[in-house]
Formats: sequence, structure tokens, C-alpha cells
Amino acid sequence: DVKVTQSSRYLVKRTGEKVFLECVQDMDHENMFWYRQDPGLGLRLIYFSYDVKMKEKGDIPEGYSVSREKKERFSLILESASTNQTSMYLCASRGGVTTQYFGPGTRLLVL
Amino acid sequence: QKEVEQDPGPLSVPEGAIVSLNCTYSNSAFQYFMWYRQYSRKGPELLMYTYSSGNKEDGRFTAQVDKSSKYISLFIRDSQPSDSATYLCAFPIYNQGGKLIFGQGTELSVKP
Repeated sequence: DVKVTQSSRYLVKRTGEKVFLECVQDMDHENMFWYRQDPGLGLRLIYFSYDVKMKEKGDIPEGYSVSREKKERFSLILESASTNQTSMYLCASRGGVTTQYFGPGTRLLVL
Repeated sequence: QKEVEQDPGPLSVPEGAIVSLNCTYSNSAFQYFMWYRQYSRKGPELLMYTYSSGNKEDGRFTAQVDKSSKYISLFIRDSQPSDSATYLCAFPIYNQGGKLIFGQGTELSVKP
């Protein structure tokens, strides 16, 4: 069974803080993704990675960066958190041609 | 025009009803068609995917694709309260690492 885990289910941070969200997958997948999900806007891709140390911007990368030092781990970094980054963050990894497996999500509240 | 249109609902049905969930899309490059189910405060889980036009069945769930009309559907037979969730259609894009383009999701509530 594929497992994608995320470091936190809920986080509360202050404006301006640096925030790290971590994601780990146990299936040796090469492709990993970070999305955010907002009511009325659906899921939007922030960044993805297709190999260790390789990353590509998604549709809404502004204010975010990522790190992939090991194949199984993909981190999302909010350099200076802002209130408009309050959201549900979802990590996914892709196996095979199509299938993306999602983690449970991290609900981030920025005050 | 949005790339994917999905009615957000909410949709409320009695237990045992047949449910029909739909998405329309505009991008002819979409070749795979997927349905995810997302329970409240959880991550999406893959329910079904299909490649070709026509029907694909899996238990109480049937995915239907009409490529000529750019229309996909998910049918749920004998719906159960445990089917209450948000259903998202999704389409992979291969020139961006296989990222998924999602519909907004339809919130379904099945009442006992």
C-alpha cells in the first residue's frame, strides 16, 4: 500500500515566520508534487519535482520554495508566511503513468 | 473559459439513490480521466481512472467518458452514507511532470 505522509496535520504560524512542510513517500516514486486547496479555487499546483534536487514551478509558486534532497522526501518552504497562505496543503507522489497518491494534508493558519 | 468545469453542489440524495457526477473539459490533449474522492479534512484518494471513451465499472462505481463531447461522468449506484464526500474529476498533463488539473469538486451528501 502506497503511503504518503505529511509532517503536520494542523499548523498555526505568525505572519513573517518561515514555515517548513514535509512530505515523505515510501514507494520510491520519482515525481512529487505540492498543491494547495482553497474553497472555490480547487487544487492548484505550487511546485513539483521529478528527481532528487530537481524542481519545477507550478502554477502558483510565488512565496514558496521547495527542497528535495532525498528521493522519498519533498519539502515545501514558506519563506515569510503571509495570511493569504492560509490554506490546506497537499503533497502527492506519482507512480506509473497517471496515478497520484495524496497525503492527508496540512491545514495551515497564518495569523 | 475554465479548463475544467464541475458543479460544486452541494448535492443531497437519499440512501440507495443513483448519483451522477459530471465534468466538462476544454483541453483536447487530456487523455486520462480520473475521479478522486475526498472526505472532509482528508487528502484526495483515487477512486477510478480510465483512458478511453466508454464505460468502466468498479463495484458500485461507473466512470463514463465521451471524448467527442469532452464530458466525463461518475455514477454511484445504491449510494450509501459512507459515500458522502467531495468528488473531484482530474486530468493529468504530461508536459508538467504529470500534474493534475482538477475540477472544483462536487460535494455529495447521502442521507440515511
